[in-house]
Amino acid sequence: DAGVIQSPRHEVTEMGQEVTLRCKPISGHDYLFWYRQTMMRGLELLIYFNNNVPIDDSGMPEDRFSAKMPNASFSTLKIQPSEPRDSAVYFCASSPSGGTGELFFGEGSRLTVL
Amino acid sequence: GNSVTQMEGPVTLSEEAFLTINCTYTATGYPSLFWYVQYPGEGLQLLLKATKADDKGSNKGFEATYRKETTSFHLEKGSVQVSDSAVYFCALKKDSGNTPLVFGKGTRLSVIA
Repeated sequence: DAGVIQSPRHEVTEMGQEVTLRCKPISGHDYLFWYRQTMMRGLELLIYFNNNVPIDDSGMPEDRFSAKMPNASFSTLKIQPSEPRDSAVYFCASSPSGGTGELFFGEGSRLTVL
Repeated sequence: GNSVTQMEGPVTLSEEAFLTINCTYTATGYPSLFWYVQYPGEGLQLLLKATKADDKGSNKGFEATYRKETTSFHLEKGSVQVSDSAVYFCALKKDSGNTPLVFGKGTRLSVIA
């Protein structure tokens, strides 16, 4: 079975550019989460969706960040414009309804903003 | 609010040594507790979990017991291997259902032969 698929795995961009990260959750999972991992702050929840609807976006750092889930099999996290402090590993995770709460993570997208 | 505190690393051990990584939590009610492991270049994967007080989660030789009286969920392994080198994250889920996990900052373990 395919796990959570994220792309790109690595992205290097210059300050001010738009960045789009993509995620395909596990088929049948109703919940999708975006986390950001940095050395200083560890793993932070940015936003999560249930049945494609955003439930809590209080972790989104500022208006430069936006996330969408147009259908059950695809989500994007967009940063516009990007800044060097956005450099981090961004993880997408999914989980099924009625489970024990275990999250299934993708391999992450490592973003470097120069 | 809900939070997880785990010992800071890095932790460096020789092969076959005993491992303890401390984790304490702050939460109201009865959270579920998890340990996740992240191998180099990979995403996090569930190592073990416990959903109620006094439960013991175990997997791959690792164990952790949910201690409500001390609000702790320490990870232990009797004899570590080089292949256990990774970052370990303690996490909690406050409510039933699919609320997000709250993670500790992670503890990097290096096991040397």
